[in-house]
Amino acid sequence: KQEVTQIPAALSVPEGENLVLNCSFTDSAIYNLQWFRQDPGKGLTSLLLIQSSQREQTSGRLNASLDKSSGRSTLYIAASQPGDSATYLCAVRPEFTKFYFGSGTKLNVKP
Amino acid sequence: KAGVTQTPRYLIKTRGQQVTLSCSPISGHRSVSWYQQTPGQGLQFLFEYFSETQRNKGNFPGRFSGRQFSNSRSEMNVSTLELGDSALYLCASSLDSGDVQYFGPGTRLTVT
Repeated sequence: KQEVTQIPAALSVPEGENLVLNCSFTDSAIYNLQWFRQDPGKGLTSLLLIQSSQREQTSGRLNASLDKSSGRSTLYIAASQPGDSATYLCAVRPEFTKFYFGSGTKLNVKP
Repeated sequence: KAGVTQTPRYLIKTRGQQVTLSCSPISGHRSVSWYQQTPGQGLQFLFEYFSETQRNKGNFPGRFSGRQFSNSRSEMNVSTLELGDSALYLCASSLDSGDVQYFGPGTRLTVT
């Protein structure tokens, strides 16, 4: 069974800092991996989707990388802002089956 | 283009009752997935429907069921509610399985 771990569980940084969030998974046979953010009490917002054949995806200040062989993905946030404060979740999808979610990293960016 | 909508947004039910939640996907999306989110268990997959057929199912008891209509709208039903069913229920739609998932705002269910 696929297990997804996100470290750290919580992170507090000053505004402007670059940061990296980590996601690891136990089974490298994945179809794709998706990063989301969730604001308190709300649904999830898709940030980036990386297909198994890709190494990275970029959107604005966000860059996600994927290393299937080591079972790791990272989400890099450049020049963090208070508006980036949220919980970040990664989800791994094995071949056409359900998504497995990590427990998330709660990010607080201090002004 | 309108996003994923879920109704109702909040619901309070009593143990033993049943509840039906509704999800309208983004226009053109044929895959709808349901998730349960709780502080203790995190996000857990319930089931996925594609073109009115259940394609995948998570590890939940038979009290949890769903269906999808020809217009891709989906409903989720929970019978004989238990206190532990209190959670945020999220619906997500995508063009097809494996594509980017777009989530609705969720339905907050409280069972007393």
